[in-house]
Amino acid sequence: QKEVEQNSGPLSVPEGAIASLNCTYSDRGSQSFFWYRQYSGKSPELIMFIYSNGDKEDGRFTAQLNKASQYVSLLIRDSQPSDSATYLCAVNRGYSTLTFGKGTMLLVSP
Amino acid sequence: SQTIHQWPATLVQPVGSPLSLECTVEGTSNPNLYWYRQAAGRGLQLLFYSVGIGQISSEVPQNLSASRPQDRQFILSSKKLLLSDSGFYLCAWSVRVGLDNEQFFGPGTRLTVL
Repeated sequence: QKEVEQNSGPLSVPEGAIASLNCTYSDRGSQSFFWYRQYSGKSPELIMFIYSNGDKEDGRFTAQLNKASQYVSLLIRDSQPSDSATYLCAVNRGYSTLTFGKGTMLLVSP
Repeated sequence: SQTIHQWPATLVQPVGSPLSLECTVEGTSNPNLYWYRQAAGRGLQLLFYSVGIGQISSEVPQNLSASRPQDRQFILSSKKLLLSDSGFYLCAWSVRVGLDNEQFFGPGTRLTVL
């Protein structure tokens, strides 16, 4: 069973802090990794994706990938209350499909 | 720019009734289309995907079916709903395959089966 694991949380951080969200995956053949944000009652929104080992930055967001450890993370710098949401990790497992984790709830307190 | 529509936004149906959910994409040609279900505590489950008109791949055997009658139209159906079919149904599209297979989601349909 190919799986994507995330801590369900909630992860609580104060406003202005760095939030670190983690994801592990079981399929060593996974090639690319996606982070989505989902507000309560809404559909997921794509934040960014990564497929090379190392870091990829986009504004306040940094994705980190370590294929040897089968680990991908998302760092959110200068966290804002508006960042409070569930963050979904997804893994590209083949031709055109993604496998999603169950998500981590992030709470940013003012 | 691309836009994805889903309707209805919410739906309450009795057990045993039929279902039809529709998804359309604007502003792109030959997209890959996907149906997901998100049930409480279970995460996003891929139900069907389609890489072209009339081409449907099923990920999970169940009482649901999908059809793609037009390039940018994707329909999810059931002849008889079960209580377990309740959930948040999401349609998504992508235009690339491989490493940068970004998928973009529609607003979703919240289905409650009573």
